[in-house]
Amino acid sequence: KQEVTQIPAALSVPEGENLVLNCSFTDSAIYNLQWFRQDPGKGLTSLLLIQSSQREQTSGRLNASLDKSSGRSTLYIAASQPGDSATYLCAVRPYSGYALNFGKGTSLLVTP
Amino acid sequence: SAVISQKPSRDICQRGTSLTIQCQVDSQVTMMFWYRQQPGQSLTLIATANQGSEATYESGFVIDKFPISRPNLTFSTLTVSNMSPEDSSIYLCSVVYRGLQETQYFGPGTRLLVL
Repeated sequence: KQEVTQIPAALSVPEGENLVLNCSFTDSAIYNLQWFRQDPGKGLTSLLLIQSSQREQTSGRLNASLDKSSGRSTLYIAASQPGDSATYLCAVRPYSGYALNFGKGTSLLVTP
Repeated sequence: SAVISQKPSRDICQRGTSLTIQCQVDSQVTMMFWYRQQPGQSLTLIATANQGSEATYESGFVIDKFPISRPNLTFSTLTVSNMSPEDSSIYLCSVVYRGLQETQYFGPGTRLLVL
């Protein structure tokens, strides 16, 4: 059974810092990996999707990398802003279907 | 990308009652799913809503407790039956929009509190 772990569980940084969120998964047979953002009381917003054949994806200040063989992904946020404060979720999709396996998330607080 | 709406956005219910949650998508999608997010936990898949046939449930979830309908390619409902406080969660529907990468999109969620 696929297990997804996110470290750290919570993170507080001052505005302007670059930061890295980590995600690890136990079964490397994945179809893709998706990073989401969840604001309090809201649904999930898709940030980046990396196909299993890709190494990284970038969108603005966000960069996600994937090392499938070691079962790891990182989400890099450059020049963090208070508006980046949210919970960040990592989810992997297996080859055998569409159901996503989620980590518990990293709760990020960026202080002014 | 798909635009997904859910009704209600939140509700407070008494134990023993049932609540039906609606999910509407702005375009036809093949795959629709229902997830649950219990307090402090991550998302767990309840079932895949299949158009024109019975839903496919994950281990630990049964049709009598979570009946699902999917009458067409843009709409689905999830009913939480005979509720108990343990059913207090956020319920989210999601879709796979068959663009280039098959990104999965989520609705805003329904926050349910059972007293």
